[in-house]
Amino acid sequence: AQTVTQSQPEMSVQEAETVTLSCTYDTSENNYYLFWYKQPPSRQMILVIRQEAYKQQNATENRFSVNFQKAAKSFSLKISDSQLGDTAMYFCAFMANYGGSQGNLIFGKGTKLSVKP
Amino acid sequence: DAMVIQNPRYQVTQFGKPVTLSCSQTLNHNVMYWYQQKSSQAPKLLFHYYDKDFNNEADTPDNFQSRRPNTSFCFLDIRSPGLGDAAMYLCATSRRSRVWDYGYTFGSGTRLTVV
Repeated sequence: AQTVTQSQPEMSVQEAETVTLSCTYDTSENNYYLFWYKQPPSRQMILVIRQEAYKQQNATENRFSVNFQKAAKSFSLKISDSQLGDTAMYFCAFMANYGGSQGNLIFGKGTKLSVKP
Repeated sequence: DAMVIQNPRYQVTQFGKPVTLSCSQTLNHNVMYWYQQKSSQAPKLLFHYYDKDFNNEADTPDNFQSRRPNTSFCFLDIRSPGLGDAAMYLCATSRRSRVWDYGYTFGSGTRLTVV
């Protein structure tokens, strides 16, 4: 069974600074996808960034980037130039690829990020 | 905009009284999911539909049932809610052939309170 661990229940960062959220996972699968989702207060969860396990290059989306270490089973999210709108719960999630057949999204417990003015 | 809509946003039900949560989508996605999200816990998958095929997670209590009468709608039925069922319930959708590219699309959730 796959598991996802987010060891930081809460974090805070000053506006315009950089913050890194940690995520580790455990799996025996070789093909899988990793995701970071953002859940603002009282709003829907939205996809921030995704990483394919067979790609060595780290994914980036504007101010969001990941540090994917496959051997260490680590998948951290870096937010640069933090903005007040980044305040949210952030979930790391794992999805196995069973030879083209999807697994289901498995989530970590989340990290509550507060961006302070 | 195409989206996933959950109704109601907040639901209060009595202990033991059946309750139904609804989810609708305009994305024409073939997979619909129900997750249970409790405070400080990871969202937990209860079940999902791939078209009309129902897939129950092994540890989902029998108290939870689901219906998908058509592509657009999916319902979560809790037959006899207990205090431990109080949680946020998230509906999500995906297009099976593109799930790797786009992940899931989530609704805003229904917050269930059991009194």
